[in-house]
Amino acid sequence: GENVEQHPSTLSVQEGDSAVIKCTYSDSASNYFPWYKQELGKRPQLIIDIRSNVGEKKDQRIAVTLNKTAKHFSLHITETQPEDSAVYFCAASIGLTGGGNKLTFGTGTQLKVEL
Amino acid sequence: DAGVIQSPRHEVTEMGQEVTLRCKPISGHDYLFWYRQTMMRGLELLIYFNNNVPIDDSGMPEDRFSAKMPNASFSTLKIQPSEPRDSAVYFCASSLGTSGENEQFFGPGTRLTVL
Repeated sequence: GENVEQHPSTLSVQEGDSAVIKCTYSDSASNYFPWYKQELGKRPQLIIDIRSNVGEKKDQRIAVTLNKTAKHFSLHITETQPEDSAVYFCAASIGLTGGGNKLTFGTGTQLKVEL
Repeated sequence: DAGVIQSPRHEVTEMGQEVTLRCKPISGHDYLFWYRQTMMRGLELLIYFNNNVPIDDSGMPEDRFSAKMPNASFSTLKIQPSEPRDSAVYFCASSLGTSGENEQFFGPGTRLTVL
């Protein structure tokens, strides 16, 4: 089955700096790569996703890049703010018959943005 | 829509007792997923349903765990008998596979403590 590795496990940055989280996956058939943010005691929430036919996607301060050849993808957060502090999870998925996705999650990155 | 609804939000029980967790997916969604989250193992997919039919239960840890989806608006995850190592946060998520959008919407989770 799919295996997703995520690094680093913890990341501390100063407010205004950039943060980068990296993930690798094992199954070359994976074609959908979402990123979820989970605040303490809350549910995971999707912040951005990318499909395998796209190399990069950006949404305001958040961007994701995908390198299918190397089987790795990354989350980039620019101009970090204290409210960005949370645990971030990457995931990889092979599309299911019927349009759904079976997600395999990375182990998470605890991001702390310091004032 | 109120989003994915889970109950109870917290459950404390004693080893050997039966535990039933409940989930109401977002109306119209055709995929339902049960996840378990622990510090040691992260977010693990236990089982998922498509149109109320269990498709893949390979993540269910053992026979003590069972899940049902009697109709499109209700699912249960049952643990019988419960053990202390079952202590975790259990999330239910749903998605609309046929829409082309892949986002899985998570419920608030049930925090289970088995003493």
